Amino acid sequence: NAGVMQNPRHLVRRRGQEARLRCSPMKGHSHVYWYRQLPEEGLKFMVYLQKENIIDESGMPKERFSAEFPKEGPSILRIQQVVRGDSAAYFCASSPFSGPKQPQHFGDGTRLSIL
Amino acid sequence: SQELEQSPQSLIVQEGKNLTINCTSSKTLYGLYWYKQKYGEGLIFLMMLQKGGEEKSHEKITAKLDEKKQQSSLHITASQPSHAGIYLCGADMSGGGADGLTFGKGTHLIIQP
Repeated sequence: NAGVMQNPRHLVRRRGQEARLRCSPMKGHSHVYWYRQLPEEGLKFMVYLQKENIIDESGMPKERFSAEFPKEGPSILRIQQVVRGDSAAYFCASSPFSGPKQPQHFGDGTRLSIL
Repeated sequence: SQELEQSPQSLIVQEGKNLTINCTSSKTLYGLYWYKQKYGEGLIFLMMLQKGGEEKSHEKITAKLDEKKQQSSLHITASQPSHAGIYLCGADMSGGGADGLTFGKGTHLIIQP
C-alpha cells in the first residue's frame, strides 16, 4: 500500500513566483494536515483539511498561502509571490478520521528553495 | 516559549548502550506521538500514547506517558546504528483531536560504532 505521496520532492522557485505542493493521502484517509519545518524551528502545524473543507487554518500565514483538498485529486498547498523566508520543508500527513486515537502518517516532504 | 520541550537536543551514544529521550509539556497531553525522522526524509510513526501511565514497546524501543500526562520518555535498549536519526514527540494539546499536532524541536541521536 502506498503511503502519503508528496510531489515534487524538491522545488526551486525565484522570488515572486508561485509554488504548488501536492499531497495524496494514504488510501482510505480523508483527513490531511500540512506542516512546515524551518531550520532550527521544528515542525509547525499549518492547516487541517477534509474533503472540500478547511477545518483549521490557525497555523497558516495570513497572506500568500492557501490550501485546498478537492473532492477529486490531491490536496494542494499554494504559495503565491514566494519570498526567501518561504524556503523550508513542507510535510503533509493524513489520517483516516480525526480523534485522539488516530496517528497521522507523514509523507517524505517537499523541499522548497527560493532563489 | 516552546510548548513541548525535548531533551537532550542531541545525543551521542556508543553502539549497544541504552538511552532515554524526554518530552515535557506544561499542559495536559491528550495524545502523545513519537516519530523518527532520518535526515532529509519524512517522519516515521513509532508509537502513540493516550492514557496516563501507559507504556508501549516495539522491538527495542519503549515509550511511557506519565500519570499526570505531561511528560513522556522514549527509551532505546542496546542501541544499533539503525536507531540513528531525529526523534520527534508530537502532541494533541487541544483535547478535541481535530487539530494539528504540536511538535518538540527533536532530539538528534548519533550512534557511534
